[in-house]
Amino acid sequence: EAGVAQSPRYKIIEKRQSVAFWCNPISGHATLYWYQQILGQGPKLLIQFQNNGVVDDSQLPKDRFSAERLKGVDSTLKIQPAKLEDSAVYLCASSLGLRTDTQYFGPGTRLTVL
Amino acid sequence: AQTVTQSQPEMSVQEAETVTLSCTYDTSENNYYLFWYKQPPSRQMILVIRQEAYKQQNATENRFSVNFQKAAKSFSLKISDSQLGDTAMYFCAFMTSSGAGSYQLTFGKGTKLSVIP
Repeated sequence: EAGVAQSPRYKIIEKRQSVAFWCNPISGHATLYWYQQILGQGPKLLIQFQNNGVVDDSQLPKDRFSAERLKGVDSTLKIQPAKLEDSAVYLCASSLGLRTDTQYFGPGTRLTVL
Repeated sequence: AQTVTQSQPEMSVQEAETVTLSCTYDTSENNYYLFWYKQPPSRQMILVIRQEAYKQQNATENRFSVNFQKAAKSFSLKISDSQLGDTAMYFCAFMTSSGAGSYQLTFGKGTKLSVIP
């Protein structure tokens, strides 16, 4: 069974530029999560989707971050414009359902903002 | 708000020895779930073990076991017969309802474990 796929693996941009990350969850997983992991810290949830609807985006900085999951499968996370403090690893995870199912993580995208 | 504390930023263990990683959490909830995740240098986060708070029996997965002390809000991970492949960051995580039917994972800051040959 294929795991969670993410691309790109690495991205370097200048501040004020835009960037987008892509995630393909495990087949059949209804719930998709985006996390931000700053160096030296644990992941922090940014947004959670159930199928193509947003369940929780309370920790997403909505002035610059946006995310979508239009057909209930793939998802895209965008940052526009990027700031220096956005440098982090962005992890995508998926689970079968909404509640207490185990989350499976992708390899992440390492973003460096210069 | 829920918090997860891992008080050991770094640890090391000799190959084939046993090591215990500590984790404490703070919550007023009664229904929750606890996890240990492993993140090797390649960055893929992998589930090590999971414990439901309503279960008194400690979870085990091969060489990995937990000591779950609900009253003390403690959830430590024991790795027996340590192997070089166990070298990784280990994150303790806590899951409970965040409202509207969803459950949210809260992670600790991690413990960097090095297994020494």
